[in-house]
Amino acid sequence: NAGVTQTPKFQVLKTGQSMTLQCAQDMNHEYMSWYRQDPGMGLRLIHYSVGAGITDQGEVPNGYNVSRSTTEDFPLRLLSAAPSQTSVYFCASSYRGWTEAFFGQGTRLTVV
Amino acid sequence: DAKTTQPPSMDCAEGRAANLPCNHSTISGNEYVYWYRQIHSQGPQYIIHGLKNNETNEMASLIITEDRKSSTLILPHATLRDTAVYYCIVRVNQGGKLIFGQGTELSVKP
Repeated sequence: NAGVTQTPKFQVLKTGQSMTLQCAQDMNHEYMSWYRQDPGMGLRLIHYSVGAGITDQGEVPNGYNVSRSTTEDFPLRLLSAAPSQTSVYFCASSYRGWTEAFFGQGTRLTVV
Repeated sequence: DAKTTQPPSMDCAEGRAANLPCNHSTISGNEYVYWYRQIHSQGPQYIIHGLKNNETNEMASLIITEDRKSSTLILPHATLRDTAVYYCIVRVNQGGKLIFGQGTELSVKP
């Protein structure tokens, strides 16, 4: 099993560009989430989903959109990138209730 | 979800037990204590969780006080590979949010 796969691993964007960070899991998990982690900081929840077709906002949702059309995929969209969105982004998945979450290896995004 | 308090950093000698405390004095009766860790630059890794009884698995032991207001994660024989940030999270065992705090940075030294 691949677990939680994030692509790309590294990305540089110019201010104002848009892009989608991909997250896929092959464990048939219902719950998925996106986090960002700034240098020296803890993880902050951006958006989460408790099943296909269901999404909700986390602690820092502004500037990000998500959708969950399938159980396997949970893409994170930046519509107009800003330097403040420079961060490491982690995707996570879990069975119902987040008893044991599995995390991807992260996407390192730099906005210049 | 209840708020947790952890020391920002701790040191431990290699081969000794690492005891990481967590205070959660406002924990509710239906909230569990979860521990995750994040080794430098990697995604967090689940360690263990419990409600009120002590728990043990192949990675660690979790000791929860009788009043459930605090807990301790024990790594019985710490190795250099256990150097990481350890997060204590208190939450109900349902619902969609998993919120991380600041954690404890554990340095295991030779």
